[in-house]
This record gives sequence, C-alpha cells and structure tokens, in this order.
Amino acid sequence: EDQVTQSPEALRLQEGESSSLNCSYTVSGLRGLFWYRQDPGKGPEFLFTLYSAGEEKEKERLKATLTKKESFLHITAPKPEDSATYLCAVHPKGSNDYKLSFGAGTTVTVRA
Amino acid sequence: DAMVIQNPRYQVTQFGKPVTLSCSQTLNHNVMYWYQQKSSQAPKLLFHYYDKDFNNEADTPDNFQSRRPNTSFCFLDIRSPGLGDAAMYLCATSGLAGVGGTDTQYFGPGTRLTVL
Repeated sequence: EDQVTQSPEALRLQEGESSSLNCSYTVSGLRGLFWYRQDPGKGPEFLFTLYSAGEEKEKERLKATLTKKESFLHITAPKPEDSATYLCAVHPKGSNDYKLSFGAGTTVTVRA
Repeated sequence: DAMVIQNPRYQVTQFGKPVTLSCSQTLNHNVMYWYQQKSSQAPKLLFHYYDKDFNNEADTPDNFQSRRPNTSFCFLDIRSPGLGDAAMYLCATSGLAGVGGTDTQYFGPGTRLTVL
C-alpha cells in the first residue's frame, strides 16, 4: 500500500533559523510529488511539483528536493509569515490517474 | 486571476438537514475534486469528475453526492449530515494527467461545515 509520512509533526523555529521538513514515501513508482502550504482555515496553496530523483525547485526561502525515497523542504532564514502547515502529496504510478496520497503535514511555527 | 472559488466559506446546518456546497473554477480544467479534511488530518478524497465522468471513492459514504452541470461548476450535496460530517470541504481542479503522467491540483479556500 502506498504510504506518505511527514516528519516532524510540528516544528518551532526562531526567525532566521533554517531547517528542513521531510516527506518519505513508499510507492510502487512515482508520477509526481507535490508540496503545498496550508494556512489555518484555508485551502492548500500549491508550492512545487517534483517529478524525478535529483530534481530541485526553489521559491523565495523555500527549496524542495527529491530522492527515490524522500523529499525535503528546506526553509532558509524563515520569517514569521512562513508559519503554516506544509503538506506533501504523492501521485503513485499504478493508482488511478487522479488520486494523490497525502501526508499528515508538518506544522511550522516561526517566532520573531 | 484564474482561480477556484468556493461558496459559502462557512456553513452551519442542523443534524439531518440537507446542505449543498458549491465550487466554481476559471482555470478551464477538465478534472474537479472534492476532499474532506478534518482537524490536523490530511485531505481525504471523496470523489472526482473527469469532465462529466463521475468517479466515487470506495469508502465515500452514500450520504455524499455530487453534481457537475458544466465545466466551471461542481456541487457537493450532503443528504443527511451527521455530527461526524463536520469538517473543511475542499474543492480542487487539475488538467489532464495523461497516461502515466500527473498534473497539479489547485485548491479552493474551502468551506467549513458545522453540524449542530
């Protein structure tokens, strides 16, 4: 069965303290891996899509990387506005064309 | 800006009283999804439409129905809401995945449903 595990569940950072979030996945094959940001009471906001091992994407203070078994979301010099829950989702090969497997998320709190 | 819109943002209903949530999109995407998300949990796919082709998840209760009258609009009907149906309901859209491919899902802001 496809599994997506995110760690840690919660992360408290001081402003400027860089850190990484982990998304490990066990799937039969990968069509794509997605990172979303979700603020309380709102829908997930798309950040990145990664398709193959070795791929990296950046946006402002965020950088996502992908290996064959996991993805990391690196937050460099975070600011309080980076506080949110970060969701990882995997689109496995062998699943129907449109179903993603989501992790439970990592809730990041950045203190000023 | 192209977007996914959900109305209302907050919905309060009574136990057993039918409720309809709506979603519209300006992205002209072929695929629309409905997810249920409970507090501190991952979104759970209820069903999706590929154009007018309806695809129900095996574990979606019969209490949940959906309609897609045209490309832009999709509705979620909860026929007899129970206390356990209180949650955030998320609508998402995507383009075509293609054989073996994938396409990004874009989410709306969600509707928070409260059942009294």
